[in-house]
Amino acid sequence: EVQLVESGGGLVKPGGSLRLSCAASGFTFSNAWMTWVRQPPGKGLEWVGRIKSKTHGGTTDYAAPLKGKFTISRDDSKNTLYLQMNSLRTEDTAVYYCTTDFLKFGTTLDYWGQGALVTVSS
Amino acid sequence: DIQMTQSPSSLSASVGDRVTITCRASQTIGTYLNWYQQKPGKAPNLLIYGTSTLENGVPSRFSGSGSGTDFTLTISNLQPEDFAAYSCQQSHSLPHTFGQGTKLEI
Repeated sequence: EVQLVESGGGLVKPGGSLRLSCAASGFTFSNAWMTWVRQPPGKGLEWVGRIKSKTHGGTTDYAAPLKGKFTISRDDSKNTLYLQMNSLRTEDTAVYYCTTDFLKFGTTLDYWGQGALVTVSS
Repeated sequence: DIQMTQSPSSLSASVGDRVTITCRASQTIGTYLNWYQQKPGKAPNLLIYGTSTLENGVPSRFSGSGSGTDFTLTISNLQPEDFAAYSCQQSHSLPHTFGQGTKLEI
């Protein structure tokens, strides 16, 4: 059974940093492309960025406004995905989901974690 | 970025009804269109990918169609468990943008 468990969310002051983790199990993590999606309270889903598997170069892509501010990385030895978030602003307040992308047809966000709430507030 | 526009934003229906949700892309995306269902307080679930392919375990009352810029999600014979929010997503070009969502209510 595929499981994705996010951790590391919480309250952070504007300008602060936070790192989210996503522990994966039930599939071969090293082969999977992984994507972060966020959802501000009461709003729609927003694609944050993705990381390819190392066999596909391990490269990352980001939503333009988040490039240089957020960093996605992975540790295949620990089956863990990370999202480093710096220079946080109130508009970054959201539930952050990690998702698998098994490339069924283009990108398909096949499995989702339960989400980690990040609140940016003074 | 490709903008995805869903309509309506909310929809009221009854058990047994047939409903259609529309998703329009700001430029052509072929059939690289996915649909997700999200229940309150829960993570989204993949419902349909590649415009019309049902994810494993999704009931056949769900169907998707379209190509290019215009897509639809149809739910026939609405069941109580179908009342949720639905979002489309294009996977043609980065960033893989979502529609703003449609809330299906009783």
